[in-house]
Amino acid sequence: AQKVTQAQTEISVVEKEDVTLDCVYETRDTTYYLFWYKQPPSGELVFLIRRNSFDEQNEISGRYSWNFQKSTSSFNFTITASQVVDSAVYFCALSEISGGSNYKLTFGKGTLLTVNP
Amino acid sequence: AAGVIQSPRHLIKEKRETATLKCYPIPRHDTVYWYQQGPGQDPQFLISFYEKMQSDKGSIPDRFSAQQFSDYHSELNMSSLELGDSALYFCASLGLAVSNEQFFGPGTRLTVL
Repeated sequence: AQKVTQAQTEISVVEKEDVTLDCVYETRDTTYYLFWYKQPPSGELVFLIRRNSFDEQNEISGRYSWNFQKSTSSFNFTITASQVVDSAVYFCALSEISGGSNYKLTFGKGTLLTVNP
Repeated sequence: AAGVIQSPRHLIKEKRETATLKCYPIPRHDTVYWYQQGPGQDPQFLISFYEKMQSDKGSIPDRFSAQQFSDYHSELNMSSLELGDSALYFCASLGLAVSNEQFFGPGTRLTVL
């Protein structure tokens, strides 16, 4: 069975600090997708990134960057120069592709990030 | 671009009442997923449909049922509502012929009093 662990329940930083959100996953599949979603207080799930298990290249998008390491089953997310608007709950999620998994998502428990001015 | 539509956005019900949530997927998407997110929790997969047939089932209570219609919209029917059913219900849609990415709707916030 697939499992996603976000060990950090809450993180609090001061604006302009860099912050890394950790995500560790378990799966028996060799083919899967990893995701990060942002959930602001308004409640909607905002898609941030999807990574295929075959693509271990790190990715940078503006102030966001992602470090995918298959050897340690980790998919960590870093926000550089954090801003108050980054305050939200961040979810890491896994979707198995093979074996009739149907692409359903398994989410981690989420990390509440608070960026203080 | 068209997104996933969920209605209603907010719903308040009394205990033991019935609720129906609706989801309209992105055009050409043939798969619909339902997730339940309790307060302070992560979204949990409930059920999914592909081409109007149930394709997978998660931790969905027997009091809940769902279906996908010929126009691919889906409805989640919840009966004998309990306080613990208060949650945010997300629908997501997928069209493998288009891409393999799930798109989430804005959610329906159900409050059971």
